[in-house]
Amino acid sequence: GIQVEQSPPDLILQEGANSTLRCNFSDSVNNLQWFHQNPWGQLINLFYIPSGTKQNGRLSATTVATERYSLLYISSSQTTDSGVYFCAVSSGTYKYIFGTGTRLKVLA
Amino acid sequence: DSGVTQTPKHLITATGQRVTLRCSPRSGDLSVYWYQQSLDQGLQFLIQYYNGEERAKGNILERFSAQQFPDLHSELNLSSLELGDSALYFCASSVGYGNTIYFGEGSWLTVV
Repeated sequence: GIQVEQSPPDLILQEGANSTLRCNFSDSVNNLQWFHQNPWGQLINLFYIPSGTKQNGRLSATTVATERYSLLYISSSQTTDSGVYFCAVSSGTYKYIFGTGTRLKVLA
Repeated sequence: DSGVTQTPKHLITATGQRVTLRCSPRSGDLSVYWYQQSLDQGLQFLIQYYNGEERAKGNILERFSAQQFPDLHSELNLSSLELGDSALYFCASSVGYGNTIYFGEGSWLTVV
């Protein structure tokens, strides 16, 4: 089945810094989403982005489907950005496969 | 609020017992997915239903079963519980498949 790898596994930032999270996938995909899991366990949709670029405030994402990767950019990070960021993909089957996540901690 | 409702939010039960987790999808969504997240682990896909029919199955144990009812709500039944079944169980829904999926807040299950 399709493999999803995320990097880096852990990231510590000072408040105000920028970061780039990467998601690599082993096969072509039809769907890709980014999620943020906050410290209380809630999974929050960030982007549905099977291809192209999207922006939402301080967050933006780019997926290059032909090269099998997606990037999530966080600018001017805030302590509320802390948590785990997951990339999830599906490749024509009905299930989304999740990556192992990037654990982000933003220090005040 | 994603619009996906899960109950109960927290559950503590003993080994060997059986529990039922309930999920109400977002209004208009026909697909329901169940995922399991063990401590500090990623999300493992369990099963998916579309309009009452099973569409995809992951690494779901034989002790676990699920169904989607005509009103589109879904239930995940966990039986003969073991300590290792302690986890956060998520339900998600989408309009169809190949769409954005939205997650509920999860049901925290602790088996003691």
